[in-house]
Amino acid sequence: EPEVTQTPSHQVTQMGQEVILRCVPISNHLYFYWYRQILGQKVEFLVSFYNNEISEKSEIFDDQFSVERPDGSNFTLKIRSTKLEDSAMYFCASREGQGNNNSPLHFGNGTRLTVT
Amino acid sequence: LAKTTQPISMDSYEGQEVNITCSHNNIATNDYITWYQQFPSQGPRFIIQGYKTKVTNEVASLFIPADRKSSTLSLPRVSLSDTAVYYCLMNRDDKIIFGKGTRLHILP
Repeated sequence: EPEVTQTPSHQVTQMGQEVILRCVPISNHLYFYWYRQILGQKVEFLVSFYNNEISEKSEIFDDQFSVERPDGSNFTLKIRSTKLEDSAMYFCASREGQGNNNSPLHFGNGTRLTVT
Repeated sequence: LAKTTQPISMDSYEGQEVNITCSHNNIATNDYITWYQQFPSQGPRFIIQGYKTKVTNEVASLFIPADRKSSTLSLPRVSLSDTAVYYCLMNRDDKIIFGKGTRLHILP
């Protein structure tokens, strides 16, 4: 079964550094998402992306965050200047979308980001 | 945004059937009800989706009454490995929001 893959599985960075989290969504999917989950808390929506542009974003997704689909397969989340509170699991998800606005999300296994 | 309400936690025993109910009073005509399961340190995993009446797959059943303002996820004969957090969502728009989910704990 096709799956969403995320790299790296764990990233440690120092406060103020830039990080790029990478995702390869399922190949025929059209909608892409980033979520984060702070340890012990709920899964929080960050951003959705369709047709090469952001379609929705949350209050968490401020100017420090950006997303990009640099080629036909990767979908990246960049945090420009990391803060301690950015430490969390970051999940990428994708869904089919075409002809089915209710297609379910398929998640990767996440990148654990630790900011020291 | 589509708001859902679920019990925060539930306990059950191995071999039992578990039913988790979700309220979604402001469900829209085009909304489908989707359930996800999440194990610790993993991404949520799609379990089942339905629009009305009953849907069954190899993992679970989903019961949706005629007014669609609630739904019940049914897990038959649970095992210890079904211990997880279960989320009920509406796949509305592109801002798909997870609530706190139901933390299901299966006891031996």
